[in-house]
Amino acid sequence: AQSVTQLDSQVPVFEEAPVELRCNYSSSVSVYLFWYVQYPNQGLQLLLKYLSGSTLVESINGFEAEFNKSQTSFHLRKPSVHISDTAEYFCAVSDREGAQKLVFGQGTRLTINP
Amino acid sequence: GAGVSQSPSNKVTEKGKDVELRCDPISGHTALYWYRQSLGQGLEFLIYFQGNSAPDKSGLPSDRFSAERTGGSVSTLTIQRTQQEDSAVYLCASSLVLLGNSPLHFGNGTRLTVT
Repeated sequence: AQSVTQLDSQVPVFEEAPVELRCNYSSSVSVYLFWYVQYPNQGLQLLLKYLSGSTLVESINGFEAEFNKSQTSFHLRKPSVHISDTAEYFCAVSDREGAQKLVFGQGTRLTINP
Repeated sequence: GAGVSQSPSNKVTEKGKDVELRCDPISGHTALYWYRQSLGQGLEFLIYFQGNSAPDKSGLPSDRFSAERTGGSVSTLTIQRTQQEDSAVYLCASSLVLLGNSPLHFGNGTRLTVT
């Protein structure tokens, strides 16, 4: 069975500071990896995904995540955050084969302070 | 086009009553998922449908929970004899195909409060 661990439930940072949201997963098979974001009073939406190829993937709003197979991690980073990045971020994993469901971590609430 | 639509957006019910939560997926999406989001608990997988079939019901918390999907479209999640621990936001998502790499599109959820 798969599991996802997001090590920080809350991360407060100042505007324009860098941020890293940590995600580790456990799986006995090859996986796809995702980050979803939930802005205040909105539904979850896909931020970025790793399917294959380059282990570094980017979103349109400056976030990036790197798949590290040896460390079973998929940490999310942004070099300079903005107030509008305030949201809850969820890491998720799914099997490349077999179980057809997305398993989510518990979420990290990112709060940007001016 | 229209996204995933869930109704009602909020539901307050008394303990012991039955509730039905509805999900309208994106047109043409063959896969549909139900998740539950409780405070501090992240997203808990409940059930998924491929077409009208639900191959994996292992996530349903108890036999008070059931779900169905008709016409490969609308899905209903039913909770019988609701308990206070059922209070949560119930999220529905759909995807184009049932594959691990197919992104999920989420609705805004139904916030269920059992008093």
